[in-house]
This record gives sequence, structure tokens and C-alpha cells, in this order.
Amino acid sequence: ELKVEQNPLFLSMQEEKNYTIYCNYSTTSDRLYWYRQDPGKSLESLFVLLSNGAVKQEGRLMASLDTKARLSTLHITAAVHDLSATYFCAVDMSSGGGADGLTFGKGTHLIIQP
Amino acid sequence: NAGVTQTPKFRVLKTGQSMTLLCAQDMNHEYMYWYRQDPGMGLRLIHYSVGEGTTAKGEVPDGYNVSRLKKQNFLLGLESAAPSQTSVYFCASSLRGYVDTGELFFGEGSRLTVL
Repeated sequence: ELKVEQNPLFLSMQEEKNYTIYCNYSTTSDRLYWYRQDPGKSLESLFVLLSNGAVKQEGRLMASLDTKARLSTLHITAAVHDLSATYFCAVDMSSGGGADGLTFGKGTHLIIQP
Repeated sequence: NAGVTQTPKFRVLKTGQSMTLLCAQDMNHEYMYWYRQDPGMGLRLIHYSVGEGTTAKGEVPDGYNVSRLKKQNFLLGLESAAPSQTSVYFCASSLRGYVDTGELFFGEGSRLTVL
């Protein structure tokens, strides 16, 4: 059974600080996804990581994937209030071409305070 | 281009009632999924479909049925609603797994309360 663990699950940080969210998963996969969810809203795709060593950056967010360690990180640089949201990582566990859906972590609830 | 559309957005049911959630996508995606989201639990897969006329069970299928009679639509049914099915339900679709990125595109969610 695939398990996807995020930590921390709750993070309160100050603006202009840096921090990292970690996503560990329990079985072999080379596809990992990061999503953002604002309260009461849908999930918005942030990053798609499709191979070992993949690194993607968008603004103050940077995501990386280490498939050997079964670890992905989402790094926040110089946080701003607008980044307050819940962040989910999700892993594609299927060997048959992505058909089985994604397995999600429980989410990291991020609050950025002035 | 509407993407993934879910109806209804909100619904209140009494225990034992039945209802159907409709998901429609206009992106010509092959794969469609139903997830439920509960506080502190992330998203859990209920059922999914890899093409018209096909369905399969996910992690938490009990108490739900699905149908995919048309490629663009994926229906989630509750035959006899229970309070444990109070949740936010998300439909998602993807093009075709490893043919593309496998990225899921989500609908806006349907909030269901069972009293």
C-alpha cells in the first residue's frame, strides 16, 4: 500500500522567511505532483515532477524530486502572505500508465503572517 | 472552455436518501476520478474510470456507485446516504496517464452534508 507523508502538517511562518515542506512516499514512483488549495476552493496544480532530479520553480516556490530517497521538497523563499494555503503532494503509484489515480498526502496547512 | 464541472455544488441529504453527483469535462480526457476530502485526511480515491464504459474501485469505494456512459461524464451515486458520507467530493480528469504528464485537473467540488 502506498503511503504519502507530508511534514509538517501545519506551519505558521513570518513573511520574508524561508521554509521547506517535505513529502515522503513509501514505494517506487518517478512521478510526483504538488497542488495548492485555498479555503473552500478546488485544487490548483503547481508542479509536475516526472523524473529523478527534476526541479521546477515558479516565483517563490521551488519543488524537487529525489526518487531514490522517495522524497520531494517544496521550498518557499521569502514568503509572502499570498502563499498562505494548503499544499498537497501526490504520487502516481500505477505501473500501468497513470490509470490508478494519484495518492495524496494529508496536506500542509501554511499560514504566513506579517 | 469550462474544464471540469461538478453539479450540484452543495446538497443536504437525510440519512437513507439517494443522490447522484455529476461530473462533466470538456477536455476530451480519457481518465476520470472521484475523490473525497475530509479534514485532516487529504484526498482519498473513491472510484475511477479509464475510459467510456469502464469503472474501477479506489481506496474507499463502499457505499458509492459510479457510471461512465459517455466519455465526458462521470456520475457518482449514493444509494443510501449515511452521515459518514458527509464530505467534499472532487471530480478530476487526466488526458491519458503516461501518454502525457498524468496531471489531474479538478472540478470545484461538491459539498455534501448527510443529516
